[in-house]
Parts: sequence; structure tokens; C-alpha cells
Amino acid sequence: KAGVTQTPRYLIKTRGQQVTLSCSPISGHRSVSWYQQTPGQGLQFLFEYFSETQRNKGNFPGRFSGRQFSNSRSEMNVSTLELGDSALYLCASSSGQGFNYGYTFGSGTRLTVV
Amino acid sequence: DQQVKQNSPSLSVQEGRISILNCDYTNSMFDYFLWYKKYPAEGPTFLISISSIKDKNEDGRFTVFLNKSAKHLSLHIVPSQPGDSAVYFCAASEQGNTPLVFGKGTRLSVIA
Repeated sequence: KAGVTQTPRYLIKTRGQQVTLSCSPISGHRSVSWYQQTPGQGLQFLFEYFSETQRNKGNFPGRFSGRQFSNSRSEMNVSTLELGDSALYLCASSSGQGFNYGYTFGSGTRLTVV
Repeated sequence: DQQVKQNSPSLSVQEGRISILNCDYTNSMFDYFLWYKKYPAEGPTFLISISSIKDKNEDGRFTVFLNKSAKHLSLHIVPSQPGDSAVYFCAASEQGNTPLVFGKGTRLSVIA
């Protein structure tokens, strides 16, 4: 069965631009969570979507937003990019809300802001 | 305020020996703990978990120990193999249905 697919794998953007990242969960999984990984901070939770509804949100500024579609695919958007947004963005899917159902991570999107 | 702490950024161990990775937490509401392993250019993969009703869980070469009074858990890998070289993340959750809170990771290098 196909895993979690994140596109694109790599992205270079200029400060001030906006970016949209995509995540396709495992077929049948209804929950998608997003994490930001930076060398200094480890993995930090951004938000979780379940059945198109945002169920949890981390402590990130409003420039970070997301959504989930009826087919469970999810996108996250970052507007007015800052240099500090350079990070690996990871998406994880599970069959139910919360990780007890098993989190499976994608390989991530490496975003570089210059 | 970091709720899950992995105080050792890196650890080097000889092949065949035991690797011990440590993790401390501050939130007493955490009752489910997990370890993930991450290779470069890949997402984290689940390794082993433990709930607060247990103090030990084993899966092959991997054992996780939980000391609730000390708010401390550890991952033991015996024997360590070169393929175990990766970054290991400790994560915790409340009642299994809140977002995972991760530590900053420990880079394990197993030297042949």
C-alpha cells in the first residue's frame, strides 16, 4: 500500500513569497498532521486535520495555515516567508484522530528561504 | 518551555554494545510515550511505544523503560548494529489523542 506522499520534495523560495505544500495520506487515513523540523527545535507540531476539520493547532503565527480536502489530502500554506521558515516540513497520517491509530510520516518537503 | 527533553544531542557506541538513549519530560499528564527513528532524507519511522501503566516494553533488540516518578524514559538497543545509526526522537502524548510532543532528537552513531 502506498505511503504518505509529500510534494514537492525540495523547494527554494525568496523571503516575502508564499508557498503551498501538499500531502497525500495513506489510502483510507482520515487524519493528517503537520510538523516542522529544524535543527535547533526538533519536530514542532503545526496542525492536525481530521475529516476536513482542524482539530488541533500548534503555536505558530497566522502566516501558517492549512486545509484538508474531502479525499483527505491536505495542504499547508506559509505566507510572507521569512528566513527562519527554512525547515523540513513533515506530514503524518493516521486512520483516526490522534496517534493511537498509528502515525505514518512522509519523507517531508525541504523548504529553503533565501 | 520544552516538555520533552533529550539532553544528549549525540551518542557514539561500538557495534555489539548497548546503546542507551534518554528522554525526560515535564508534563505529568503525558501517559503515552513513543520512540521514532529518522534517517536523513526520510520521515521518522515508529520504533516502539509504552503506556504509563507499564514500566517496560520490549520488541526484539529494543526495550523502552519508563520511570514515572522521575519522569524519565530510556531506549535500550542491544546489540547495537551499524544500521541503527540514525536520529532518535522521543515523543509523548496525553491520553493518546493529543498531538505528539517531540524531543529534539539524539543522533546515534554505531561504529563498526
